[in-house]
Amino acid sequence: SQQGEEDPQALSIQEGENATMNCSYKTSINNLQWYRQNSGRGLVHLILIRSNEREKHSGRLRVTLDTSKKSSSLLITASRAADTASYFCATAPGLTGANNLFFGTGTRLTVIP
Amino acid sequence: EAQVTQNPRYLITVTGKKLTVTCSQNMNHEYMSWYRQDPGLGLRQIYYSMNVEVTDKGDVPEGYKVSRKEKRNFPLILESPSPNQTSLYFCASSSLKTQYFGPGTRLLVL
Repeated sequence: SQQGEEDPQALSIQEGENATMNCSYKTSINNLQWYRQNSGRGLVHLILIRSNEREKHSGRLRVTLDTSKKSSSLLITASRAADTASYFCATAPGLTGANNLFFGTGTRLTVIP
Repeated sequence: EAQVTQNPRYLITVTGKKLTVTCSQNMNHEYMSWYRQDPGLGLRQIYYSMNVEVTDKGDVPEGYKVSRKEKRNFPLILESPSPNQTSLYFCASSSLKTQYFGPGTRLLVL
């Protein structure tokens, strides 16, 4: 399977703390994306990082990519209770862009007010 | 408003009774896809379509059919549902960079 794997599977932190989630994958990629899912609802795209990029920021989100280790991390700074959700990494292999994404199993983040 | 819609949102059915879950997008995307989500397994792709009349199998296509007669619609068909198809289903369309997901259809097959 080309699925990525997130680590940890679950994470619980206090509001205001930073949350870090990791993703490992198996094949070469065109880009890696992070999505957020509120309980039982559709996934929402957060950020995309291309294979030739090492770090990217968007608001309180910071994503890093290490293609030599086939891994990525998502950092959410100054977490809020509203950040409680599941977070998935998704890889777009080779030259396919975003069309065929392979999703990981997700990290369940709980932010305690 | 740009969106992907799915219907129905919830469905309880019995083994063997054919059903169709509809998916429609208003963003003029060429690429559409169906996923199922199960606890501990993440999202797995069932079928995808690169354009009208072009469909391909994903990771878990067994027991499912799709069609793409129009750009905006991509229905998922279960000809003879079985209990192992009980799951949460998501349709998505793509802008070549990111995927836009529908709200999900929760299916229970008894």
